[in-house]
Amino acid sequence: GNSVTQMEGPVTLSEEAFLTINCTYTATGYPSLFWYVQYPGEGLQLLLKATKADDKGSNKGFEATYRKETTSFHLEKGSVQVSDSAVYFCALSGRLTGGGNKLTFGTGTQLKVEL
Amino acid sequence: ETGVTQSPTHLIKTRGQQVTLRCSSQSGHNTVSWYQQALGQGPQFIFQYYREEENGRGNFPPRFSGLQFPNYSSELNVNALELDDSALYLCASSTTGQGYTEAFFGQGTRLTVV
Repeated sequence: GNSVTQMEGPVTLSEEAFLTINCTYTATGYPSLFWYVQYPGEGLQLLLKATKADDKGSNKGFEATYRKETTSFHLEKGSVQVSDSAVYFCALSGRLTGGGNKLTFGTGTQLKVEL
Repeated sequence: ETGVTQSPTHLIKTRGQQVTLRCSSQSGHNTVSWYQQALGQGPQFIFQYYREEENGRGNFPPRFSGLQFPNYSSELNVNALELDDSALYLCASSTTGQGYTEAFFGQGTRLTVV
């Protein structure tokens, strides 16, 4: 079945540091890949997505490239801010037999950014 | 455009009781999915409803059941609650069609079973 593995946290960085959160996946077919962010006490917000190999998703300074050859979708940001502190989830979409899609998530990586 | 709304936001139940959680889908969406997020874990797919029928199910026992209504809103029912059912329950709405369509999540219902 489909699965997502992402690096364990917490990751603690100083403001303006470079961020990488690793994510690898196992899937049949060609899933779409996502990064979601969850701020304390809130639901999930889509951060970025990529729907096919070599696509780069980007949003709010975050980027991730769909690497089919390494089955990876690592999240990067050149300069993090305190407001980026949250839990980040890597996810992939899988087809349901009824025609819809479901998301399979990693366990999440907590990011703490300090001044 | 209204987003996905869930109610209640918090709930405390006793082991063995039954609970119903509610979700209103985003305007224009016809599909609702439910996820369970245990503390410190990623969300796990429970099931999906499309056209008022279960469209797919994850690895959850039959005491987890659901409904979808003609206005596309949905309920998640859990019978015979267990302590391990304590979690954040997330509802996501989307549209079912060709290819992937983005899922929008609600804020969740925090269920505590004591």
